[in-house]
Amino acid sequence: DAGVIQSPRHEVTEMGQEVTLRCKPISGHDYLFWYRQTMMRGLELLIYFNNNVPIDDSGMPEDRFSAKMPNASFSTLKIQPSEPRDSAVYFCASRPGTGVLTDTQYFGPGTRLTVL
Amino acid sequence: DQQVKQNSPSLSVQEGRISILNCDYTNSMFDYFLWYKKYPAEGPTFLISISSIKDKNEDGRFTVFLNKSAKHLSLHIVPSQPGDSAVYFCAASVGWDMRFGAGTRLTVKP
Repeated sequence: DAGVIQSPRHEVTEMGQEVTLRCKPISGHDYLFWYRQTMMRGLELLIYFNNNVPIDDSGMPEDRFSAKMPNASFSTLKIQPSEPRDSAVYFCASRPGTGVLTDTQYFGPGTRLTVL
Repeated sequence: DQQVKQNSPSLSVQEGRISILNCDYTNSMFDYFLWYKKYPAEGPTFLISISSIKDKNEDGRFTVFLNKSAKHLSLHIVPSQPGDSAVYFCAASVGWDMRFGAGTRLTVKP
């Protein structure tokens, strides 16, 4: 398996523009998580899905952020409109629902977002 | 609120010596604890974990210690190697809920 795939790896945009980050979880994993990493706050959980259903989005900072998971192999995180303070590295992670090491999450390489 | 705290943003040790990374948590419901390692331009990768029913778990050069009464865990790396230089994240979980610390940047000098 190729692991968790994220695209793009880097995104530079201007304030006010819409940004869409994409994630393909590991096949067979039931859970998908979106995190944001900043110097000040480290890794923050934004939202997570179980079997494509959003379970907890309490970490989403504002209404400008939205996430979807239309099927088991694809998820998006959208920011509209983007602001400079959204600049961070965004990680997607997935994990199996059952079996060994179910608490272990597998992270993608991240998307480095810069909003000018 | 930060339920998992790594109070040392950075640590520098000499090759061959012991590295000790510390982590504190506030939620007594956490029952599973993990350490992740992150290299630049890569996602965090799982390193070692420990269940709340244990106080020590060892895997090669890496040992995690858990002190439930103090709500404290630590990661020991011995001997430290230059390739261990990375950011280490502590994580604590109960069920689906996993919280991460802010990370500690370890530098191992040759």
